[in-house]
Parts: sequence; C-alpha cells; structure tokens
Amino acid sequence: DAKTTQPTSMDCAEGRAANLPCNHSTISGNEYVYWYRQIHSQGPQYIIHGLKNNETNEMASLIITEDRKSSTLILPHATLRDTAVYYCIGRRPLSGGGADGLTFGKGTHLIIQP
Amino acid sequence: SQTIHQWPATLVQPVGSPLSLECTVEGTSNPNLYWYRQAAGRGLQLLFYSVGIGQISSEVPQNLSASRPQDRQFILSSKKLLLSDSGFYLCAWSSGGNYGYTFGSGTRLTVV
Repeated sequence: DAKTTQPTSMDCAEGRAANLPCNHSTISGNEYVYWYRQIHSQGPQYIIHGLKNNETNEMASLIITEDRKSSTLILPHATLRDTAVYYCIGRRPLSGGGADGLTFGKGTHLIIQP
Repeated sequence: SQTIHQWPATLVQPVGSPLSLECTVEGTSNPNLYWYRQAAGRGLQLLFYSVGIGQISSEVPQNLSASRPQDRQFILSSKKLLLSDSGFYLCAWSSGGNYGYTFGSGTRLTVV
C-alpha cells in the first residue's frame, strides 16, 4: 500500500481556500487516493477520492498530479467547521480478497482561523 | 438511506472485565464491515474486517475478537480487558468497489 506524507498541521483563514497537500510517490497504478476528515471525537467522514483525473464534489476538489505522486485537497471556502484532521489515504486490497482496507496515517490538523 | 449505529458512546471498564461493542448497519445488504481503534494521540488502526456472515479477518494480533452473527451486525469482544485496550473504537461499512467508508460515531473505551 502506498505510504502517504502530509504536513502535521496547517492554518487557513476563514473564507479562504484551504489547500492540503499529500505526497504518495510509491502509489501503484490501480490505487485510488482517498481523503477523509475527522472532527474531534467523531468518526472519520469521507470527502472525496480519485485515481487519475481531478475530481470535484459538494465538499471539495481533488487535484492529482499527472505522475500521481502527489495530490492536493482543496476546500474552496473554508469555515470554522472545517477544522479537523484530514487524512490522505492510498487504498489497498486486504488479504483474503473481497474487501478493501484503508490505512490511516497521522493526517494534517487543519485549523481554520476566524 | 443507509445508517450505521454504534453503542455505547462511552464506556469505563475495569481491567480483566469482558467487553462487547455492537455495530449495526441499516439500509443496505451484505456490507463489508470494519472495526478500527484509535489510541490517544495516534492514527486509526484497522482491527478486523468482514465480508459476510461468520467471516472475520484480523489485521493485527490482539486481545480482542470480532463476530458477525447477522448480515448487518458486527460485534467486538474481549474476555478480559487490558489497560492497553483503552481507545476510541470505530465501526465502518462499505459497499466494496471504489465506494468510500461510512463510519459510526465511535465508542470511547477507558479501561481502569
């Protein structure tokens, strides 16, 4: 499974775009990049995922470099409620087949400043 | 719509006591089910996963066990809790394929 590297923490002003980087230089050709976030004392929440093309949904945009060695999660207009730990994850198949596991790293603690 | 329920929200148990945490999913059939643990100040660790009734796979050796007696029910158990079992336990489900996971609200277990 691909190892991902993220900054430990980031600050962003409320109303501005938050850009969270992730390096995944060892990602294999069939591994998707997933982003989740975890607000304190809650379960992680799915944000977005992608393989090669850039993706956008109601929560965020995901920009994946052409070589797939890195990606950036963009929250276009950050609010105080976006303060959370954001996890960038490479999706790998679990042993035994039939299910896919997600390996969570330490993530980036994004703090939105008022 | 699909929902996932996990209980209790918090639990304080003495060392050596048994444990049973329950997770149920509604609104879907044959989900993949997962148990994760998050120790204080650390990331999420996958403990168990299940692709069907009675099918349990363990990711790491530990003092815990899991069971899936029904399609949408996943139970995490221990016969004798250790201090090191303290943590935030999360249940999750997915449809497989490229779909993401949906996590429950978690159980914060403190072993004293």
